[in-house]
Amino acid sequence: QQQVKQSPQSLIVQKGGISIINCAYENTAFDYFPWYQQFPGKGPALLIAIRPDVSEKKEGRFTISFNKSAKQFSLHIMDSQPGDSATYFCAASLSNSGYALNFGKGTSLLVTP
Amino acid sequence: DADVTQTPRNRITKTGKRIMLECSQTKGHDRMYWYRQDPGLGLRLIYYSFDVKDINKGEISDGYSVSRQAQAKFSLSLESAIPNQTALYFCATSGTGRGTEAFFGQGTRLTVV
Repeated sequence: QQQVKQSPQSLIVQKGGISIINCAYENTAFDYFPWYQQFPGKGPALLIAIRPDVSEKKEGRFTISFNKSAKQFSLHIMDSQPGDSATYFCAASLSNSGYALNFGKGTSLLVTP
Repeated sequence: DADVTQTPRNRITKTGKRIMLECSQTKGHDRMYWYRQDPGLGLRLIYYSFDVKDINKGEISDGYSVSRQAQAKFSLSLESAIPNQTALYFCATSGTGRGTEAFFGQGTRLTVV
């Protein structure tokens, strides 16, 4: 069963807008929550990550918000650009599985000019 | 040269054939992983390895086997390929430590006819 649930499946945002992707998890043992970005024909690449002892992490235009009590985390892309058009995956992992990633199903983001 | 190299990049094979997908890395990482990506399903873990002597099954290991020939090499085999193993396969590596970044190869697109 999918251990990490991701929504929406697809998202269209105008240039300059805010893109928001949400994820939820069940296993409270997860202790590392990364977001990966994937362009067509390429492998996923780490975008930003957070640990559960922090409620928010920001890197440039990308912010992760983390709500431990609700077991939810989200990615916010501020001032979205056409170059941000890609598929985004949230993931969760834990130490006793070597931090193997449990991925959400992905969100296809299209930023229109 | 890529840090994580997968060969072949594309492969078409017939049902019942044995096929091996290869992965090599120059990151010097101990941990290696094989994932499978299907449209709308995200990436799912097939096998992972902490080192040459430590190999573990992931979420969807049935029908697959792996071999860790060296720290830098991790191969995935389909002993008797079937059409529902048609997918995009990714190899990844990560360092030791708590929740470190995973680096992905460019993927192998496998079609079983």
